[in-house]
Amino acid sequence: QKEVEQNSGPLSVPEGAIASLNCTYSDRVSQSFFWYRQYSGKSPELIMSIYSNGDKEDGRFTAQLNKASQYVSLLIRDSQPSDSATYLCAVGTNAGKSTFGDGTTLTVKP
Amino acid sequence: SQTIHQWPATLVQPVGSPLSLECTVEGTSNPNLYWYRQAAGRGLQLLFYSVGIGQISSEVPQNLSASRPQDRQFILSSKKLLLSDSGFYLCAWQDRGPNYGYTFGSGTRLTVV
Repeated sequence: QKEVEQNSGPLSVPEGAIASLNCTYSDRVSQSFFWYRQYSGKSPELIMSIYSNGDKEDGRFTAQLNKASQYVSLLIRDSQPSDSATYLCAVGTNAGKSTFGDGTTLTVKP
Repeated sequence: SQTIHQWPATLVQPVGSPLSLECTVEGTSNPNLYWYRQAAGRGLQLLFYSVGIGQISSEVPQNLSASRPQDRQFILSSKKLLLSDSGFYLCAWQDRGPNYGYTFGSGTRLTVV
């Protein structure tokens, strides 16, 4: 079993729809959880961090964490074509290292 | 302001040749620094991390090495490249502490031929 698993994708949604990206992790002692956006050919960019159970909202993005289920998700509301990218889920330890999933590629169709 | 620089952007090297990739951070002191590699269509694999000058931790046995000769400089090296070393190499740092996310450099796309 991989340490961090994401939807295999690719995921395609129409413009204006909600995109839902999911991630599960295996290490129960993980404390920090991140979502990165990576455009094709570019380096990843941190878009959301979440540390406690529940929802965290930032603009059109909402991260959800359920430590009991070892599950993290990212919702993108009112999806735009500019949101088309690969989204990487990462799980961090208190030592600073992060383990990444393989990513889910999202395409938002106009 | 804090910035991270990584170079070169692209590199094509023959098998058996040496490698040196450099990463520097500005606007901070004693950052945690990381080298990751991304294979095509895959996630990021941690190669090395450093919490201070001369302190290097290796995550996977491989053909690569890392050094941190100065507080804000992190170098990835190889004496002899293999075809399997091809990939997208990313330097990263944490600007707020070990529990926070990374800021990545722009990356080096290495093709070994």
